[in-house]
Amino acid sequence: NAGVTQTPKFQVLKTGQSMTLQCAQDMNHEYMSWYRQDPGMGLRLIHYSVGAGITDQGEVPNGYNVSRSTTEDFPLRLLSAAPSQTSVYFCASSRSTGGYNSPLHFGNGTRLTVT
Amino acid sequence: DQQVKQNSPSLSVQEGRISILNCDYTNSMFDYFLWYKKYPAEGPTFLISISSIKDKNEDGRFTVFLNKSAKHLSLHIVPSQPGDSAVYFCAARNYNTDKLIFGTGTRLQVFP
Repeated sequence: NAGVTQTPKFQVLKTGQSMTLQCAQDMNHEYMSWYRQDPGMGLRLIHYSVGAGITDQGEVPNGYNVSRSTTEDFPLRLLSAAPSQTSVYFCASSRSTGGYNSPLHFGNGTRLTVT
Repeated sequence: DQQVKQNSPSLSVQEGRISILNCDYTNSMFDYFLWYKKYPAEGPTFLISISSIKDKNEDGRFTVFLNKSAKHLSLHIVPSQPGDSAVYFCAARNYNTDKLIFGTGTRLQVFP
């Protein structure tokens, strides 16, 4: 059982480049989300989805796009990378929004450096 | 504005002793609280949770205490083991927005 799979594990981008961080889950979870982890800032919600075709913004959505065409996949797109987007990105899924009896399952993260 | 605060960035405890990790929150809309544990190069994993209608929840060596009047929760690990060395995040669910807000994390080191 793979759980939540994120690719790539590491990525280096130049300022202005675009890329897509991939996330897939095999637990048939309706809820998926993207977080970024920065020193001293904890985990901050970027975007989330409560089901295929539905996405919404989190706390720090600027500079990122998402789509949810299937239940399994939830890619995160960086449109024009900036050094401020250097971070570790985590994808997570759960049956509902990560609350009652439905904790989040996280992937192992993508470490992104923008130079 | 940090709504969930973990004021101790790190904690060092001897094996066999109690580890106490603290978390303070400011938003009265939080009704459910969780603790996640994170090892290096891995994603966070769920550890234990508590509803706002309770003041204590226990699971083996882990106990979470909630003091609503003080807007404070704590995670107790007894006895601490070297394998408990990790970063611990507390998280709170806002029942109005249905979103989880995470704290900044506390790095626990358990030494022999």
